[in-house]
Amino acid sequence: DAKTTQPNSMESNEEEPVHLPCNHSTISGTDYIHWYRQLPSQGPEYVIHGLTSNVNNRMASLAIAEDRKSSTLILHRATLRDAAVYYCILNRDDKIIFGKGTRLHILP
Amino acid sequence: DSGVTQTPKHLITATGQRVTLRCSPRSGDLSVYWYQQSLDQGLQFLIQYYNGEERAKGNILERFSAQQFPDLHSELNLSSLELGDSALYFCASSVGRGPNTEAFFGQGTRLTVV
Repeated sequence: DAKTTQPNSMESNEEEPVHLPCNHSTISGTDYIHWYRQLPSQGPEYVIHGLTSNVNNRMASLAIAEDRKSSTLILHRATLRDAAVYYCILNRDDKIIFGKGTRLHILP
Repeated sequence: DSGVTQTPKHLITATGQRVTLRCSPRSGDLSVYWYQQSLDQGLQFLIQYYNGEERAKGNILERFSAQQFPDLHSELNLSSLELGDSALYFCASSVGRGPNTEAFFGQGTRLTVV
């Protein structure tokens, strides 16, 4: 399974943008980059995914490096409700394999 | 609400017993995934079904089995339960298969083995 590397934890202030990095240097051409998050006491929640181009949706933006060896999840204006564990996943053969993720703390 | 329904929400049982966890996917979704989440192991992929057929297998123990029925609901059977099987079990569903589809997760079943 393709591997991703994320910081264990990050902090951000409420109402400020948050950039969550992910390295995936062994990515292959057909791997999609997916982001999920897990809020406390809940199941994982889909955030966004992409292949090569940057993607935007109502929750977040995904910026993918030109060589695809890294990506960044951008929360444009963090709220307390965004405190969660964020998982960056390479989806290759339909198996969604979770790593340890980044625990995001939001400071009021 | 993701649209994925898991029952029961909580289950307490004794070692050696057998339990069945149920998952109803979102309407129209053909793929179902099962995951186990324990404190020390994180989210572990167990197995995936697509339209009734097993598609991918992860770290699923031989004591565990699953199936997806013609109406697309799925069941995860856990037998000869051990204390270490205590965990949250999540089901997810997606409309199709392949890496370009997003999955939607249920709220999980919390299994406690005593």
